[in-house]
Amino acid sequence: DVKVTQSSRYLVKRTGEKVFLECVQDMDHENMFWYRQDPGLGLRLIYFSYDVKMKEKGDIPEGYSVSREKKERFSLILESASTNQTSMYLCASSLLTGGYGYTFGSGTRLTVV
Amino acid sequence: DQQVKQNSPSLSVQEGRISILNCDYTNSMFDYFLWYKKYPAEGPTFLISISSIKDKNEDGRFTVFLNKSAKHLSLHIVPSQPGDSAVYFCAASGGRNNDMRFGAGTRLTVKP
Repeated sequence: DVKVTQSSRYLVKRTGEKVFLECVQDMDHENMFWYRQDPGLGLRLIYFSYDVKMKEKGDIPEGYSVSREKKERFSLILESASTNQTSMYLCASSLLTGGYGYTFGSGTRLTVV
Repeated sequence: DQQVKQNSPSLSVQEGRISILNCDYTNSMFDYFLWYKKYPAEGPTFLISISSIKDKNEDGRFTVFLNKSAKHLSLHIVPSQPGDSAVYFCAASGGRNNDMRFGAGTRLTVKP
């Protein structure tokens, strides 16, 4: 069973801090994704990666960056946290794209104060 | 610009009856359509998918219907059970990057 682990369940950070959200998957998946979930907006794609060292912007990349140094790890970085980045962050991985579902982690609820 | 839309934020049905969740999309480049289920404090879990070349896919109590001309899909759950109570997300993938877009979700409540 594929497991996607997000390092923190809840996180509270101050405005202006640099924040790292870590995600690790244990099934050798090529593809990894970061989404944020907000009420009424569903899941919005921030960044994704189809290979090590590769990254692509999603729909809302502003204020975020990512790092994928190893296949199993995909980190989301908030360069300077702002209150409008308070959200639920979900990491996902998949072996294939198309009609194959993603496996999601349990999420990190980030609050920026 | 939301390419995948779920216009009903919530739906309540009686146990044993049919639940119908609806989804509309705007991008004709989507190749696959998926449904996910999400319980509180958990990530979404993949439920069922359908290719754009099909109009129906069935898996046990879950059936997804696709109407390409209307850019509309629906998920039918028959019979509904209290354990089906969750938020259901519609998703679509395809296009240049083949990444996945999600709707806003519909909260389904199945009453015993």
